[in-house]
Amino acid sequence: DSGVTQTPKHLITATGQRVTLRCSPRSGDLSVYWYQQSLDQGLQFLIQYYNGEERAKGNILERFSAQQFPDLHSELNLSSLELGDSALYFCASSLGPGQQETQYFGPGTRLLVL
Amino acid sequence: GNSVTQMEGPVTLSEEAFLTINCTYTATGYPSLFWYVQYPGEGLQLLLKATKADDKGSNKGFEATYRKETTSFHLEKGSVQVSDSAVYFCALSVPGANNLFFGTGTRLTVIP
Repeated sequence: DSGVTQTPKHLITATGQRVTLRCSPRSGDLSVYWYQQSLDQGLQFLIQYYNGEERAKGNILERFSAQQFPDLHSELNLSSLELGDSALYFCASSLGPGQQETQYFGPGTRLLVL
Repeated sequence: GNSVTQMEGPVTLSEEAFLTINCTYTATGYPSLFWYVQYPGEGLQLLLKATKADDKGSNKGFEATYRKETTSFHLEKGSVQVSDSAVYFCALSVPGANNLFFGTGTRLTVIP
């Protein structure tokens, strides 16, 4: 158990809908990352927050947004969903924002868009 | 750019066989290197890491050495067990870009 929690575990929805994925980092970790794992694209970085502020952006679509709240939990919002958004979404956390920090991953949220 | 190339899987080995999973990288700046493992139905777990050249990361019988001259970080284990069956990801991070760049993953199946 990494100490990172994600809810829900599974999500099934329809095209055009909007969903929110939630992540609670390990106790004491200030940095949260979101990754998408799909069969065709592999594991891709979406976005990073550190202590409530956006720190880095990767291949995140404009239809997707995220935020980190004062209690350090984070939410990833996916809107106008398409079939291709079906994937496993992972949250990871680390103590600080630095390059050498170990990132601890949650169990993931499996999203299926029908 | 930053990228990681892993050997294609799947890899199937008999119990107690020797394992090598190749990983090479390209990076802007001086990278830190990681191996993560994903067991069926679970998230990624850090297996080992190395942050400078010639460092050897090791954990649970697995080891990998950061080779700057060959830009490689190959994963090895002397004697695999059935419980090592999983997908293994090589990854790097670089200064100024704190996210991880992952390889495509290598699925290992160990048969009794």
